[in-house]
Amino acid sequence: DGGITQSPKYLFRKEGQNVTLSCEQNLNHDAMYWYRQDPGQGLRLIYYSQIVNDFQKGDIAEGYSVSREKKESFPLTVTSAQKNPTAFYLCASHGDRGLNEQFFGPGTRLTVL
Amino acid sequence: GDSVTQMEGPVTLSEEAFLTINCTYTATGYPSLFWYVQYPGEGLQLLLKATKADDKGSNKGFEATYRKETTSFHLEKGSVQVSDSAVYFCALSDRAGGGNKLTFGTGTQLKVEL
Repeated sequence: DGGITQSPKYLFRKEGQNVTLSCEQNLNHDAMYWYRQDPGQGLRLIYYSQIVNDFQKGDIAEGYSVSREKKESFPLTVTSAQKNPTAFYLCASHGDRGLNEQFFGPGTRLTVL
Repeated sequence: GDSVTQMEGPVTLSEEAFLTINCTYTATGYPSLFWYVQYPGEGLQLLLKATKADDKGSNKGFEATYRKETTSFHLEKGSVQVSDSAVYFCALSDRAGGGNKLTFGTGTQLKVEL
């Protein structure tokens, strides 16, 4: 089955540690996205990548970093510079066809202790 | 810039009641419009979509009509079920703005009770 996987589902880290969230897709989509979800605030775009080896900052990129070395993978690193990292993180992808529809992974809930 | 405004929740209904969740938007071009649904602890799933004025998207008994004159895309369902309890997000994608980014509303939580 084609889809997007995110791992792990729950992640706990101590304050000051960097942590990397995994996102993998087997949909052969070029574009991938990372969103952060906080209660009552909807989804906010962190980073996105339209093609391999290229990515752009979204609306709230500070304290985060990404890489796009392979088409199917778009890992997100939450650095110690991110002041409030506890949140639900969602990865999405988008193909060349269709109507800008994005497909979402199941999400990773990060809790910084 | 682009924006989406949704009615605040939570919305609490009895089973078989009629549902309306309001959504209005602001966009510079001619956006595509979407409704996504999120069940507890999960990612978002596309519920329905519309690409141009007067298009009606529909799925699983839910409907929404793209109204350009009122810049609205309200979600409706004639008879809700307990299993419809979730958070619903309205979103737009405006190619005129460049790229394929989605702009989301803040979400509306729906609770359906027996």
